[in-house]
Amino acid sequence: KAGVTQTPRYLIKTRGQQVTLSCSPISGHRSVSWYQQTPGQGLQFLFEYFSETQRNKGNFPGRFSGRQFSNSRSEMNVSTLELGDSALYLCASSSGFLAGGYYNEQFFGPGTRLTVL
Amino acid sequence: SQQGEEDPQALSIQEGENATMNCSYKTSINNLQWYRQNSGRGLVHLILIRSNEREKHSGRLRVTLDTSKKSSSLLITASRAADTASYFCATDERGNEKLTFGTGTRLTIIP
Repeated sequence: KAGVTQTPRYLIKTRGQQVTLSCSPISGHRSVSWYQQTPGQGLQFLFEYFSETQRNKGNFPGRFSGRQFSNSRSEMNVSTLELGDSALYLCASSSGFLAGGYYNEQFFGPGTRLTVL
Repeated sequence: SQQGEEDPQALSIQEGENATMNCSYKTSINNLQWYRQNSGRGLVHLILIRSNEREKHSGRLRVTLDTSKKSSSLLITASRAADTASYFCATDERGNEKLTFGTGTRLTIIP
């Protein structure tokens, strides 16, 4: 099976612009989660989508949004970029919950490195 | 916010030695997972241990879980240069449908 792919791999934007990142999950996986990783804050959960519905959201401002398509591919959008948005954005897919509500393993993509100038 | 705190933050050992890193968390969990991240790349899942399990093995990896102390440890035996990476624990908190990652341990294997 092909792994999780993310595009683009690198991105440079200026403050005030907006950006859209894309994630294609492993075939058959219906859950896609997004994380932001920075040296200062570590790995922070952004949101998770399952079958086109946002199931959970982290503590990020409304400038961060996402969506999932019927083929499970997902996009996240950041509007009005700020310098602090510079980070590695990671997407992870999984088959969703195990029986009994347990969260199973996540398969991560290589990430998109966003630099805001 | 971080659920898990890894200890130590950084660890350097000689190739062939064993490496142990610890993770502490705050709330009740369904399971705990360990991931590895090579520099600037995506994370790779290593092992998952459920809250009703106490120990699990996978190759050179041994994970323990003590729910009474809210802590877990990851042991890598007979370390290799390729084990150089950051290691993260991630908890699946009960009632909170997401994985929360710890702060990570940076492991360096000296050839």
